Amino acid sequence: AQSVTQLGSHVSVSEGALVLLRCNYSSSVPPYLFWYVQYPNQGLQLLLKYTTGATLVKGINGFEAEFKKSETSFHLTKPSAHMSDAAEYFCAVSKSGGSNYKLTFGKGTLLTVNP
Amino acid sequence: EAGVAQSPRYKIIEKRQSVAFWCNPISGHATLYWYQQILGQGPKLLIQFQNNGVVDDSQLPKDRFSAERLKGVDSTLKIQPAKLEDSAVYLCASSQGSHQGARYYGYTFGSGTRLTVV
Repeated sequence: AQSVTQLGSHVSVSEGALVLLRCNYSSSVPPYLFWYVQYPNQGLQLLLKYTTGATLVKGINGFEAEFKKSETSFHLTKPSAHMSDAAEYFCAVSKSGGSNYKLTFGKGTLLTVNP
Repeated sequence: EAGVAQSPRYKIIEKRQSVAFWCNPISGHATLYWYQQILGQGPKLLIQFQNNGVVDDSQLPKDRFSAERLKGVDSTLKIQPAKLEDSAVYLCASSQGSHQGARYYGYTFGSGTRLTVV
């Protein structure tokens, strides 16, 4: 069974600083990986996804993530934080192969951006 | 294209009452999901449909929760009777193609229904 671990339930950065949100997965088969963002009182919005191919994935709003199989990680980064990035971020995995492709989420990381 | 529509946005009920949530997915999306998101946690899948058939309902508390997707379009999730621990945001999502193909296309979420059970 696949699972997702997000390290750090709360990350605080200054405006303009690097954003690094950590995600590790466990999967017995190559995973499909996703990062979603959730603003207060809203649904989940897809930031980026990794399926196959290039391991560095670029998403919306300047975010990117790198799939590292050797480290079973898919960390989310952004070079320079903006106030509008303050939100909750969820890493999710959907395994490939088998008969059920349900999307399993981590517990989330709340990002605070300080002026 | 229009997004995933959910209603109501908020609902407050007393324990032991019943409640129903409605979801209208993006037109043409075959796969539909209901997730429960308890405060401070990630969303948890309750049930997954492909067209009007259930693909996975292993985490649906069937003694009190039920869901249907008649005609393979919109869907209703019902709780009867509600418990305090059912307080959560209920998210609906949809995806193109089959549940196997959903991982390629991604999943589009609605804004959710926030349920408070008092």
